[in-house]
Amino acid sequence: VLTQSPGTLSLSPGERATLSCRASQSVNRNYLAWYQQKPGQAPRLFIYGASSRPTGIPDRFSGSGSGTDFTLTISRLEPEDFAVYYCQQYDSLPLTFGGGTKVEIK
Amino acid sequence: QLQLQESGPRLVKPSETLSLTCNVSGVSVTNTHYYWAWMRQPPGGGLEWIGTVYYTGSTYYNPSLESRVTISVDTTRNLFSLRLSSVTAADTAVFYCGRHYGDDPFDVWGQGTLVTVSS
Repeated sequence: VLTQSPGTLSLSPGERATLSCRASQSVNRNYLAWYQQKPGQAPRLFIYGASSRPTGIPDRFSGSGSGTDFTLTISRLEPEDFAVYYCQQYDSLPLTFGGGTKVEIK
Repeated sequence: QLQLQESGPRLVKPSETLSLTCNVSGVSVTNTHYYWAWMRQPPGGGLEWIGTVYYTGSTYYNPSLESRVTISVDTTRNLFSLRLSSVTAADTAVFYCGRHYGDDPFDVWGQGTLVTVSS
């Protein structure tokens, strides 16, 4: 089970966002991903391998952590960053997602 | 450019079988690097992995749905499909098809299709 906190994060543009994802058992090989989802859209992969960014993802997004505790940090929020973020483990079956953190404009 | 597009009935009656197809363009489903998956998301809810298929027909299912799910691949038409039997209102969701590279996460998603279970 992946538990994300907080459920909602109310911040202003330019602020730093820190999102947490805690696993009930160790995620080996750092097989932890983060997705961004905007209303009416499919999720989009933003971080894989706990800390790697796919091509095209801005470097203000960074992932860290290992074992059971992982963090997604957005260094300075841009207007387009307000969305829901999900973590996902792909270390073992069944593949599972966290419940999501909504980053909303304060 | 790789694209995935879900298609199928948007309304299914309770106790019937939900059937969806994911049409793949821009890459062959027989590419040995890729696995093809279905996910769902109830209105206002979180994401759930349903299952994954490889071009050989090998499948991996979420145990929570395994008794009702069949995922198959059609290499001649370059698509893969989902069947979910004995549906109830709790199965109402946006269904997404997606791809993953080996044991990597989902890097490509379809746009999703809302399927409502109602009489």
